[in-house]
Amino acid sequence: DAGVIQSPRHEVTEMGQEVTLRCKPISGHNSLFWYRQTMMRGLELLIYFNNNVPIDDSGMPEDRFSAKMPNASFSTLKIQPSEPRDSAVYFCASRVVDATNEKLFFGSGTQLSVL
Amino acid sequence: AQSVAQPEDQVNVAEGNPLTVKCTYSVSGNPYLFWYVQYPNRGLQFLLKYITGDNLVKGSYGFEAEFNKSQTSFHLKKPSALVSDSALYFCAVRDRNQAGTALIFGKGTTLSVSS
Repeated sequence: DAGVIQSPRHEVTEMGQEVTLRCKPISGHNSLFWYRQTMMRGLELLIYFNNNVPIDDSGMPEDRFSAKMPNASFSTLKIQPSEPRDSAVYFCASRVVDATNEKLFFGSGTQLSVL
Repeated sequence: AQSVAQPEDQVNVAEGNPLTVKCTYSVSGNPYLFWYVQYPNRGLQFLLKYITGDNLVKGSYGFEAEFNKSQTSFHLKKPSALVSDSALYFCAVRDRNQAGTALIFGKGTTLSVSS
């Protein structure tokens, strides 16, 4: 299995532009998470989906952020318009929703720089 | 609300010495506890977990962690550190009674092992 695949690996954009981050979870995993990592705040949960349904988006910073999961093999995180304070590493992770198997698998992340 | 505290931003040890990375948690019910490791420019990788049973949990690369309910702690340990253990370590928790919910991560502790 190729693992969780995120694209792009790096994104540099200017303030005000729209940014779309993409994630392909591991096949068979039915739970998907978006996290953001910064030096100041560590690893923050933004939103997660179970069976393609958003369960908790309370971590999404503001209305500029939106996430979708149109099917079991694809998710997007969109920022519109982007701001310099959005600069961070964004991670996608997936797992099987199972009471005993709690192992999360992370992608390699997208390094976002908003100038 | 669930939370995780990693009181040390950085831990420095000499190769061959024992290491401890501290973690305390807060959940309303009983916890599931985890340690993940992050190497530079990579996503997080699972190290070990405590679900139930023995308080001492053994994981990958010779790491272990001890669950202490009275102190609400789950410190990561290794008897003899290696230079290759240098990385960023995250503790995570979720309430055992909230199946399918997301893990909440601490801010991370940078472990630096010198030769």
